[in-house]
Amino acid sequence: GPKVLQIPSHQIIDMGQMVTLNCDPVSNHLYFYWYKQILGQQMEFLVNFYNGKVMEKSKLFKDQFSVERPDGSYFTLKIQPTALEDSAVYFCASSPRLGGGAETLYFGSGTRLTVL
Amino acid sequence: AQKVTQTQTSISVMEKTTVTMDCVYETQDSSYFLFWYKQTASGEIVFLIRQDSYKKENATVGHYSLNFQKPKSSIGLIITATQIEDSAVYFCAMREGVSSGSWQLIFGSGTQLTVMP
Repeated sequence: GPKVLQIPSHQIIDMGQMVTLNCDPVSNHLYFYWYKQILGQQMEFLVNFYNGKVMEKSKLFKDQFSVERPDGSYFTLKIQPTALEDSAVYFCASSPRLGGGAETLYFGSGTRLTVL
Repeated sequence: AQKVTQTQTSISVMEKTTVTMDCVYETQDSSYFLFWYKQTASGEIVFLIRQDSYKKENATVGHYSLNFQKPKSSIGLIITATQIEDSAVYFCAMREGVSSGSWQLIFGSGTQLTVMP
């Protein structure tokens, strides 16, 4: 199926530092998402993004979080500053269009973020 | 508010048998979309199959099929002729239609499937 690439697969940083997680969505997809998964739990929605704008975000999407996709390059999730509770696996997903909610999301393999 | 519940935390089956994983959901929306994903040991999340609420026929893709019981708000995943490589965590997910104003795909807590030789 369609592939979403995430770089890096694992990132270790010190608390308080900034981190940027990168996602290369499926080439013809227009909608992009970030999900957070704490070890052993389900994935939880953070944010979705379309046409340069955040469409919807959850309460997990703290003020320290931001997303962008400058000039069709990587779709990024930036956390500044990081906190211990940000340690998790972050999954990027994309879909071709929302289509009233019907579109299937395709996920990347995740970036495991460890905040020390 | 929408909610997805998977009560089975883990299931073990013998290879080549059939397994059913349960999922119930809650929604106020008349139009919604149901999905099953699996998460492999490497962490990869793979889309398997989906069911649109307005379709009466159960979806089937390869050796995956769904048991959609709309009056019970239930969407079970059936895997026939299981293989060792089907061992993974299976997540049920739901997304409401555009009238809800939310684009969130809500996941259940997952069911760990172990297929034994």
